[in-house]
Amino acid sequence: EVQLVESGGGLLQPGGSLRLSCAASGFTFSSYAMSWVRQAPGKGLGWVSKISNSGGTTYYADSVKGRFTISRDNSKNTLYLQMNSLRAEDTAVYYCAKASDYGDFFDYWGQGTLVTVSS
Amino acid sequence: DIQMTQSPSSLSASVGDRVTITCRASQGISNSLAWYQQKPGKAPKLLLYAASRLKSGVPSRFSGSGSGTDYTLTISSLQPEDFATYYCQQYYSTPQTFGQGTKVEIK
Repeated sequence: EVQLVESGGGLLQPGGSLRLSCAASGFTFSSYAMSWVRQAPGKGLGWVSKISNSGGTTYYADSVKGRFTISRDNSKNTLYLQMNSLRAEDTAVYYCAKASDYGDFFDYWGQGTLVTVSS
Repeated sequence: DIQMTQSPSSLSASVGDRVTITCRASQGISNSLAWYQQKPGKAPKLLLYAASRLKSGVPSRFSGSGSGTDYTLTISSLQPEDFATYYCQQYYSTPQTFGQGTKVEIK
């Protein structure tokens, strides 16, 4: 059974930093691209970042480019999102999501972790 | 970036109704479209991909169609467990972009 379990969310002040983790199991982690998707309270879904299966290629939404860094450790089956210079508008539930065999959509999602940026 | 516009943003329907949600892309996406269902407090779940392919285990009352820029999700006979928010997503190009969502509520 595929499982994605996020952790690392919390409450922090603007300008702060946080690292999210996503522990994967039930599939060959190193074979799949992974993404982070976020959802602000009461709002829709927004793609944040993607990393190739090897970790060699990364992509970012313009809103987080230069502030967030996606990475992965295939030996630990874990995906990361390093978030720096956080802003109030980064407040959201952050989901990790697994890319499908059939295209760059998401066939499995984690339960999400809440990041709140507030003074 | 490709913009995805869903309509309606919300709808009220009764159990047994046929429901259709539309999604329009700002440019052609060659059927690279997925649909997700999200219930309050839960992660989204994949329903369909490639515009019309049902994910294994998803009830057959869900179907998708479309081409080019215009796509639809149809629920043939709405069930109580289908009341949720539905999102389309294009994966033709990065950044993958989502529609703003359609909330399906009980009439």
